[in-house]
Amino acid sequence: DGGITQSPKYLFRKEGQNVTLSCEQNLNHDAMYWYRQDPGQGLRLIYYSQIVNDFQKGDIAEGYSVSREKKESFPLTVTSAQKNPTAFYLCASSILGSSGANVLTFGAGSRLTVL
Amino acid sequence: QKEVEQDPGPLSVPEGAIVSLNCTYSNSAFQYFMWYRQYSRKGPELLMYTYSSGNKEDGRFTAQVDKSSKYISLFIRDSQPSDSATYLCAMKGGGLTGGGNKLTFGTGTQLKVEL
Repeated sequence: DGGITQSPKYLFRKEGQNVTLSCEQNLNHDAMYWYRQDPGQGLRLIYYSQIVNDFQKGDIAEGYSVSREKKESFPLTVTSAQKNPTAFYLCASSILGSSGANVLTFGAGSRLTVL
Repeated sequence: QKEVEQDPGPLSVPEGAIVSLNCTYSNSAFQYFMWYRQYSRKGPELLMYTYSSGNKEDGRFTAQVDKSSKYISLFIRDSQPSDSATYLCAMKGGGLTGGGNKLTFGTGTQLKVEL
């Protein structure tokens, strides 16, 4: 079955540590996205990538980094510079080149808790 | 003021009720309007999307867009306990925007359908 796999589902981190969240898709989608979800704030875009080896900052990129070495993979690193990293992180993908709705397919999410 | 406003709820209704979920927005450039459903601790999944003004029906779900009032609605008929979830509205402009087909999300409305 085609879809998006995020891992780990739950992650605990000590302050000052970097952590990397994995996102893999087998939908053959060109574009991939990382969102952060906090209560009362909705989904906020962290980074997105439309093509391999290229990515763009979203609305809240500070303290995060990404890479896109393969079409299928878009890992997110939460660095120690991120002041409030505890959140639910969602990876998504979509077909690029459509001027239509840009329907996103989401993964199941990764919940990061900083101890 | 946020570009998209959505009442967070929670909204509690009895089984079989008609549910009305709403979003207002301020950006007149939005042309595509989407509703995503998110179960607890899961990623959002697309319910339906509408282009410009008008209605769209899919089974028990009806999406309405009133661009003149900058107001969109999702109606659920004969609501079921399995409809209990958070409902997120999302919007984007037409064409391939510089933001990579960026979607703007509402904060989500939590719905509980009780037996």
